[in-house]
Amino acid sequence: NAGVMQNPRHLVRRRGQEARLRCSPMKGHSHVYWYRQLPEEGLKFMVYLQKENIIDESGMPKERFSAEFPKEGPSILRIQQVVRGDSAAYFCASSPRIPGQVLSPLHFGNGTRLTVT
Amino acid sequence: EDKVVQSPLSLVVHEGDTVTLNCSYEVTNFRSLLWYKQEKKAPTFLFMLTSSGIEKKSGRLSSILDKKELFSILNITATQTGDSAVYLCAVKGAQKLVFGQGTRLTINP
Repeated sequence: NAGVMQNPRHLVRRRGQEARLRCSPMKGHSHVYWYRQLPEEGLKFMVYLQKENIIDESGMPKERFSAEFPKEGPSILRIQQVVRGDSAAYFCASSPRIPGQVLSPLHFGNGTRLTVT
Repeated sequence: EDKVVQSPLSLVVHEGDTVTLNCSYEVTNFRSLLWYKQEKKAPTFLFMLTSSGIEKKSGRLSSILDKKELFSILNITATQTGDSAVYLCAVKGAQKLVFGQGTRLTINP
């Protein structure tokens, strides 16, 4: 059973370009979370999605950032017109939805390290 | 706003020592508290705690939750160099999982 798959592992973009980060959840998991981690800091929540539905985007910057989780295919975190401050590790996590059970740990992918030059 | 605070931020000990890592929290609609270990890549799940006073144990690691005082501790006994990592505490409210800033643990041989 493959874990959470993120790609690419490393992404280098120049200022002003777009970055697309992909996340395929574990098999059977229908909930996806995106977190950002700056060096020497904890994980900062960005957005929580179900398929075709954004549940909580309270951690997403208001501009340039968007996320989706379509019915088919991976979840995508999109950053438009990247700036140096966007350089960070972006982690995706997934959890199952089990009817009647709301408690389940998140399983994380290995992250995408974005470097903006 | 939900908040998780870990202490200490950094800890250096010798192999064989016992360490205690602390996590305090403020969260609306508390559901669970989780501990993760992060080395170079993805955080790996250690424990999930939902009830006060019940210790969870896995080998040399153990953890307990106090829902009245709003904190948890993670204990590691007989530490080994492979325990060196960042240990993250996270609390789940109604929707999202909120992380603390982590404790960087270094075990010297």
